[in-house]
Amino acid sequence: EAAVTQSPRNKVAVTGGKVTLSCNQTNNHNNMYWYRQDTGHGLRLIHYSYGAGSTEKGDIPDGYKASRPSQENFSLILELATPSQTSVYFCASGDVGTGGVNYAEQFFGPGTRLTVL
Amino acid sequence: QQKVQQSPESLIVPEGGMASLNCTSSDRNVDYFWWYRQHSGKSPKMLMSIFSNGEKEEGRFTVHLNKASLHTSLHIRDSQPSDSALYLCAARSNYQLIWGSGTKLIIKP
Repeated sequence: EAAVTQSPRNKVAVTGGKVTLSCNQTNNHNNMYWYRQDTGHGLRLIHYSYGAGSTEKGDIPDGYKASRPSQENFSLILELATPSQTSVYFCASGDVGTGGVNYAEQFFGPGTRLTVL
Repeated sequence: QQKVQQSPESLIVPEGGMASLNCTSSDRNVDYFWWYRQHSGKSPKMLMSIFSNGEKEEGRFTVHLNKASLHTSLHIRDSQPSDSALYLCAARSNYQLIWGSGTKLIIKP
């Protein structure tokens, strides 16, 4: 089965500090995604990547940077963390492809709970 | 306005009953829909997908799709307490997934 791991699983940060969330996938998917989910709500796309070296802005990129150094790894960076960035962050991999509908499912990591004080 | 809207926001169904969840998109570029289920404290996992007009059944779960109105619905019969979860609808538009806010389903024993 597809495997996506995230680290850390829980993080407490101070306002103004730098936070890096890491994601690793062993699915050999081209696409990777970072979402945040606030209590009781759906998923909001922050950044995504089509492959190593590429990063694209999602719907809510302000205050976040992303880095995709390899096929397997995708990081989300908060240079100056703020309390409004307190949330659960999910990484996912998948290929919502241009061809057959099989390239559809996104596989999610377990999530990182970030608290910014 | 959100491009994928789900209703109701929350739903309470007695154990053994039928749960019906709805999802509609206002994006005319949408071509496919998925339903994901997210148990409390866990990550979303794909439950069912539907790409053609009509109905698809998998066990207690049935999905309907009307492509003309860009509306899909998920029906769960003989609901079990383990079905209590957040149900997320996702739609593909221009090769990207867009997500609804979800329906929180509670099955009461």
